[in-house]
Amino acid sequence: GQNIDQPTEMTATEGAIVQINCTYQTSGFNGLFWYQQHAGEAPTFLSYNVLDGLEEKGRFSSFLSRSKGYSYLLLKELQMKDSASYLCAVSDNFNKFYFGSGTKLNVKP
Amino acid sequence: DVKVTQSSRYLVKRTGEKVFLECVQDMDHENMFWYRQDPGLGLRLIYFSYDVKMKEKGDIPEGYSVSREKKERFSLILESASTNQTSMYLCASSPDVTSYEQYFGPGTRLTVT
Repeated sequence: GQNIDQPTEMTATEGAIVQINCTYQTSGFNGLFWYQQHAGEAPTFLSYNVLDGLEEKGRFSSFLSRSKGYSYLLLKELQMKDSASYLCAVSDNFNKFYFGSGTKLNVKP
Repeated sequence: DVKVTQSSRYLVKRTGEKVFLECVQDMDHENMFWYRQDPGLGLRLIYFSYDVKMKEKGDIPEGYSVSREKKERFSLILESASTNQTSMYLCASSPDVTSYEQYFGPGTRLTVT
């Protein structure tokens, strides 16, 4: 089966750094993804990791350790507009995507 | 920009009705997906299609069927709607099997009474 865990909710301060963790157990692995979803809107793609290590894209970075079944999304210089849900997802060998339940990030002034 | 559109933002149907949810993408993508999103459960894959007239079951196909007669259109059908199918339904597309980015539509909030 597929199991993807991430914290339900986090709070951080504007300008700070926040790390959102994701652990997974899947029967196959073809990549790990992070999506951002603002309330009432569709998810939008943030990052993709297939090899171990850190991928950096502006203020956002994503890390993957396949041996540990672990990933994190790092958000730097937090802005109020970063308040959203962050979804961790894994694709298996058959191009199926499995999503975690999402982490709601609240950014406070 | 890739555009994925869904036929309705909000829909209210009665138990037992047959319900059609339509999704159209304008970027010639091979793959299309239907998810439902429920609080605390995240997005769950119902069905996906990697080509016209092809379909694969996701995690929760029971009570649903799909149709893909044209490349740009992927329909989700609730044969006999039930109250436990009240949910947010999201359609997505991606270019091909090697692509990792999915583009989502705005969603349809379906209420079954």
